[in-house]
Amino acid sequence: DIQMTQSPSSLSASVGDRVTITCRASQHLDRWLAWYQQRPGRAPKLLIYAVSSLQSGVPSRFSGSGSGTDFTLTINSLQPEDLATYYCQQAVSFPLTFGGGTKVEIK
Amino acid sequence: QVQLQESGPGPVKPSETLSLTCTVSGDSISSFCWAWIRQPAGKGLEWIVRMCRSGGTTYNPSLNGRVSATLDTSKNQLSLRLTSVTAADTAVYYCARENVVPGHYNSGIDVWGQGTTVTVSS
Repeated sequence: DIQMTQSPSSLSASVGDRVTITCRASQHLDRWLAWYQQRPGRAPKLLIYAVSSLQSGVPSRFSGSGSGTDFTLTINSLQPEDLATYYCQQAVSFPLTFGGGTKVEIK
Repeated sequence: QVQLQESGPGPVKPSETLSLTCTVSGDSISSFCWAWIRQPAGKGLEWIVRMCRSGGTTYNPSLNGRVSATLDTSKNQLSLRLTSVTAADTAVYYCARENVVPGHYNSGIDVWGQGTTVTVSS
């Protein structure tokens, strides 16, 4: 199985800050990497697919980058509604696997 | 607008079989691929299965053959059966749409149900 390691596991930032979350895969992923946001008590929501493609309806302050085994989710100008846990997910091989999550808190 | 709604038994006793159904509205399950994903309380996400009308069904080996899943196009429903359940199977179970054409593109798991909580307890 491909292991997905996210860092940090949690962070606290202020409204307006730029936040960066890192995801490292145990194998090369080509472009098959997605990011999800899960607000408390809610189902996950797709933010980014294919490394850097923004899902329809997702604010442009979210962006994704990376290649190979190392990927990044950036939130520019953090907003109060961005309080959530963020997960990366690989889709290059079965079983599909997710990172352990990064919990983002607002100072 | 595509909507997914899971339904399930709630509590299940150890060693019994868990059965879940997901009703899809606003889209045909003959299109796209469909998945079950679970999440124990306070923990991360575990992908269970992908079902594609034209691409077959793929299971997570971690479930050791205890799982089976089907698509019922007549009812536009997905179903999941998990046998010999233990406390480790206690989780929120989500059905979801995978926007993927195997071998061509993968646009992520783009629609999720609200999830149904399954508790395994005697």
